[in-house]
Amino acid sequence: GNSVTQMEGPVTLSEEAFLTINCTYTATGYPSLFWYVQYPGEGLQLLLKATKADDKGSNKGFEATYRKETTSFHLEKGSVQVSDSAVYFCALQSTGANNLFFGTGTRLTVIP
Amino acid sequence: DVKVTQSSRYLVKRTGEKVFLECVQDMDHENMFWYRQDPGLGLRLIYFSYDVKMKEKGDIPEGYSVSREKKERFSLILESASTNQTSMYLCASRTGLPNEQFFGPGTRLTVL
Repeated sequence: GNSVTQMEGPVTLSEEAFLTINCTYTATGYPSLFWYVQYPGEGLQLLLKATKADDKGSNKGFEATYRKETTSFHLEKGSVQVSDSAVYFCALQSTGANNLFFGTGTRLTVIP
Repeated sequence: DVKVTQSSRYLVKRTGEKVFLECVQDMDHENMFWYRQDPGLGLRLIYFSYDVKMKEKGDIPEGYSVSREKKERFSLILESASTNQTSMYLCASRTGLPNEQFFGPGTRLTVL
């Protein structure tokens, strides 16, 4: 079946620190992989995506590489800002499926 | 910009009441989704619809029903609300192609 396992939070970092949030998946076929972000009081927004192996998604300084050999899609950012404080969700959509499978979310707090 | 709106941001209902949550999207998307979001569980799919009057059960449909009479509107119905349905409800829409889902801001429902 399909599932997503992501690093449990919460994660607290100082401004300008390096961020990694781990995400691994189990899926049939060749899924598309996504990172969504949820800012306080808002719905989810797409942060980045990758649709095939070795693709790198990037946006707003965040990046993640689709690693088929390790079934991973880890989120990284070189220097976080206070405004990056949010909950981050890893998700997959398997081939031919209509819906997304989400991880449990990782809350990030960045302190000045 | 795609816009997905939900009828209420916060809702308080009593056990046994019938509850309607409305979702409207303005981009002529074929697919619409209802999720619930709970701490530690991420997002779980309740129902989705791939066309007017068409629906499919997601992972947790028990206690819920849906209605899609017009393409832009997808309603979630709690026939008899219970306290274990206290949650954040998120609506999303997407084109027919495998692509990102666009989320509404969410409705936080409390059932007393």
